[in-house]
Amino acid sequence: GQQVMQIPQYQHVQEGEDFTTYCNSSTTLSNIQWYKQRPGGHPVFLIQLVKSGEVKKQKRLTFQFGEAKKNSSLHITATQTTDVGTYFCADHTGSQGNLIFGKGTKLSVKP
Amino acid sequence: NAGVTQTPKFQVLKTGQSMTLQCAQDMNHEYMSWYRQDPGMGLRLIHYSVGAGITDQGEVPNGYNVSRSTTEDFPLRLLSAAPSQTSVYFCASSRASGSSADTQYFGPGTRLTVL
Repeated sequence: GQQVMQIPQYQHVQEGEDFTTYCNSSTTLSNIQWYKQRPGGHPVFLIQLVKSGEVKKQKRLTFQFGEAKKNSSLHITATQTTDVGTYFCADHTGSQGNLIFGKGTKLSVKP
Repeated sequence: NAGVTQTPKFQVLKTGQSMTLQCAQDMNHEYMSWYRQDPGMGLRLIHYSVGAGITDQGEVPNGYNVSRSTTEDFPLRLLSAAPSQTSVYFCASSRASGSSADTQYFGPGTRLTVL
């Protein structure tokens, strides 16, 4: 079945450094959603990308969808301790609207 | 709105016991789903429903049953608990299914341990 590969699995950064997580697929992605899960919490929707080459920004977060719709990335500028958590990408597989999640990137930020 | 609620928050079972994880949403969402989350495995879809009376299997359905008698409720039943079912279970809902791809809202989760 379709797989969504997410790298890296873990990322440790110093506060103020940048962070990027990547989401890749061997097949064309339908549309990509990004979620954040704080430690001990539940996934919370961040954004959805639909169009080829789309770029969206939310304050320090920049989301990109590849031109071929086979990859996506989330970039955080100048990380803060509040950015700690696991970031997931997810693709909608088809007409039933099911999400296929990547395994997530766990971000830790050292003050 | 309470959003998506799940009960219980924590549960410990013995192998072979059965139980039901409850999930309810008050947003009138048509689409509801159950995921399990294990370390390093991300979120895996167990079962989903596109509306009352309609359910279908996801990626890892074995050992679990679901039903959807109302729009609001989507319980998950463990028939005979096994240690491999130790996990965190999340229920989620969204406005509609389909390629329009609505945001999924997740409940707080149930942390289940099977001894």
